[in-house]
Order: sequence, then structure tokens, then C-alpha cells
Amino acid sequence: GAVVSQHPSRVICKSGTSVKIECRSLDFQATTMFWYRQFPKKSLMLMATSNEGSKATYEQGVEKDKFLINHASLTLSTLTVTSAHPEDSSFYICSARPIGGTAAYEQYFGPGTRLTVT
Amino acid sequence: ILNVEQSPQSLHVQEGDSTNFTCSFPSSNFYALHWYRWETAKSPEALFVMTLNGDEKKKGRISATLNTKEGYSYLYIKGSQPEDSATYLCASQGGSEKLVFGKGTKLTVNP
Repeated sequence: GAVVSQHPSRVICKSGTSVKIECRSLDFQATTMFWYRQFPKKSLMLMATSNEGSKATYEQGVEKDKFLINHASLTLSTLTVTSAHPEDSSFYICSARPIGGTAAYEQYFGPGTRLTVT
Repeated sequence: ILNVEQSPQSLHVQEGDSTNFTCSFPSSNFYALHWYRWETAKSPEALFVMTLNGDEKKKGRISATLNTKEGYSYLYIKGSQPEDSATYLCASQGGSEKLVFGKGTKLTVNP
């Protein structure tokens, strides 16, 4: 149980285009999902907290107009990287917190998406 | 300590060896400490969530301890096997749901 999927697993796009990454909780519902980014040899860094039916909360330094987050249902959150630039190339990974889980702080992770902007 | 620090960065051991690594985290405003096991191309897998000072948790050959007063946690693997090869992440959780991760310890177990 508690499986989170991400799609695509790997994407290459041209500079200036937009890319959408999907995060789905497959066997549970999640009011809250989290988006992280990891640069080479760095730790996972939280970008934003996505709440179903409301606006996402972005961490300091993360541009909300560049990284659009939509959490339209209890099982799906999307991250759209708009007007991508080579410096946006990174590993993006999501996690989801189940509703009514055994512990309020459980988070289950997807396998991540490797974005390369050329 | 402002960040979450993990040591060592990487570790090579022989099959059958026991090993341990360290996670240091801010002791102020502490809520929980998470350990994850992350194999390449897979999702990070939750190992332990620990909240209480002195807590000790065990799952098979893997165990972890927690010292919230001094801000550190140890992860132990007894009798390492090649399938234990992975990156082990720890993350500190303060008063909110946010997790602050360390860079991880990459473990390689040689057969």
C-alpha cells in the first residue's frame, strides 16, 4: 500500500517550453502533497506544499509563477515548469501525506522525474 | 546546527559487516526524525519515524536511535547484505509538516 507514482520519469525539453509533471497517490487519498527538487550532490529541497482545493504554499526563493502547482483532486497534484531554462534542469520528486494515516507526519514519495532542459 | 548533516557521505562494506551512520539535526523546535532508504530509480522508502528522546526502533537487521537533546540519530545495519546497498536519507521535521533532508549516506555492500 501507499504507492505514489510520477509521470514522466524522465523528460528532455527545449529552453522556453513548459513541462508538466504529474504526481498521483494510487491507493490512498492525500489532501497534502509536497514537491521537492534535488540538484547534483545536494539534498532534497522542499519547493512547495500543495493542498487540495487551495493555493500552494511556496518556499522562500521559489518562483510561484515559474513553478505552477495544481492539486485538483485528492489523488493528483501537478507541477508545471513554465518557460524552462537550462538552470531548471534537476530531479523533481513529490510526496503525499495520507488522510487519516496512522501518524500525522507520514509522507510517501514518488520515484521522481529527471528534467533536462537543452 | 542549522542544517541536517549526515556522515559519512559514502561507505563501502563487505557482506556480513555491521555498519552505522549518523544524522545530526537542529535540536530546537524538534517534532520528528525520519529515516528513508532510497534505491536508484525507485521511490524513497520510509524506514522509521521517531519522535521521543531515547527512542529506539528496529526493522529486521536495521535499527535506529534518537537523541533529541543533542540532536543526533544513528542508523545501524547488522550483517549487511548486497541488497542493503542504497542511499539512506534522514530528515528532520519541526513544528510543521515540512521535512528538511540531509544529503544522505550512500552505502555499498560488496558480496
